[in-house]
Amino acid sequence: QKEVEQNSGPLSVPEGAIASLNCTYSDRGSQSFFWYRQYSGKSPELIMFIYSNGDKEDGRFTAQLNKASQYVSLLIRDSQPSDSATYLCAVVGKGFSGGYNKLIFGAGTRLAVHP
Amino acid sequence: KAGVTQTPRYLIKTRGQQVTLSCSPISGHRSVSWYQQTPGQGLQFLFEYFSETQRNKGNFPGRFSGRQFSNSRSEMNVSTLELGDSALYLCASSSTGDTQYFGPGTRLTVL
Repeated sequence: QKEVEQNSGPLSVPEGAIASLNCTYSDRGSQSFFWYRQYSGKSPELIMFIYSNGDKEDGRFTAQLNKASQYVSLLIRDSQPSDSATYLCAVVGKGFSGGYNKLIFGAGTRLAVHP
Repeated sequence: KAGVTQTPRYLIKTRGQQVTLSCSPISGHRSVSWYQQTPGQGLQFLFEYFSETQRNKGNFPGRFSGRQFSNSRSEMNVSTLELGDSALYLCASSSTGDTQYFGPGTRLTVL
């Protein structure tokens, strides 16, 4: 089982719709979760982080965390063609020393927003 | 604050050569992580340095090595380059290791 799993996509949504991106993780002890956006040929850009169960909103983005189900999601409201990118989920997991200090990335979900 | 900088941005080498990439983290950040990204492979974690010590390491051969200096700047070295080493190499800095901010990357082409 991969430590962080995402559906590779592509997830295709029409402009103006809600895009829902999902991520599951294997280590129940993980406490910190991140979403990055990566445009083709560019480096990843941090868009959201979430530590507590529930929802966290920032503009058109909402991150949702359910630790009992080991599930993180990112909702993008009013999707725009400029949101077309790969979205990477990242979870802080156990590092070499056993402490939670290693950021583990999923393989990413490609989102395509079509006009 | 200035962001993460990486030099050089582009590099072309031939098989068998070695290469050194440099990363300057955000001021005050003590953690620097390195990643390799190839098409279709996602982000592959190489290693992380925190306060000059390697704290975490990925599953890459010993040809890949790194170090961190007292000013938190980090270098990554790849010896005996292979064609498969062609990739975008990304560096990310963090104050503690979790919230990471990426540099623009170094695109390495091995001929």
